[in-house]
Amino acid sequence: GAGVSQSPSNKVTEKGKDVELRCDPISGHTALYWYRQSLGQGLEFLIYFQGNSAPDKSGLPSDRFSAERTGGSVSTLTIQRTQQEDSAVYLCASSSRGASGETQYFGPGTRLLVL
Amino acid sequence: AQSVSQHNHHVILSEAASLELGCNYSYGGTVNLFWYVQYPGQHLQLLLKYFSGDPLVKGIKGFEAEFIKSKFSFNLRKPSVQWSDTAEYFCAVNAGRGSTLGRLYFGRGTQLTVWP
Repeated sequence: GAGVSQSPSNKVTEKGKDVELRCDPISGHTALYWYRQSLGQGLEFLIYFQGNSAPDKSGLPSDRFSAERTGGSVSTLTIQRTQQEDSAVYLCASSSRGASGETQYFGPGTRLLVL
Repeated sequence: AQSVSQHNHHVILSEAASLELGCNYSYGGTVNLFWYVQYPGQHLQLLLKYFSGDPLVKGIKGFEAEFIKSKFSFNLRKPSVQWSDTAEYFCAVNAGRGSTLGRLYFGRGTQLTVWP
């Protein structure tokens, strides 16, 4: 079946502009995660949605970052007033929790470059 | 908070050499353990996982990993590497069964380069 998809695959923006990154999870997966992969920081957790529960936003680096998940499916990560340090690959993952644990499946990522 | 350590940042091997990549984590409770691989230009793919049961788990492409609870380790092994194994390998951990927190904690990754 189809995997996690993300768009755009690449985004170049100017410092100070807002960007929106989109994630389409695997159909039927109840959990959705955003991570960021950068050279200096490795893979960092950003935010987590599980069903109808309040999202875990503990990984968001600043209040310029926000995310929503509409209808329990598609998610959008928004970065306002982008800064050069926001340049990274933004990864989305989805999972369905099984009896013994869950496995997260990752999308191809959006490579963001802030000039 | 949990943390994951991967001891080798870059490993260089010749084809047919044996591989072992170290991974240690810090968390006192039940954990789920994963190895993900990222081939050049591709996205993160699951290599293998441990939830419970036999601590020796086998994954795709001949990889295996052993969970040693007393050492908080989950080392990745392959008896004979191939050029196509050149990739970056990430160890990851999340809280185990029953937890409401599913976020993964990743190690910094190990770049494996295999020379033909």
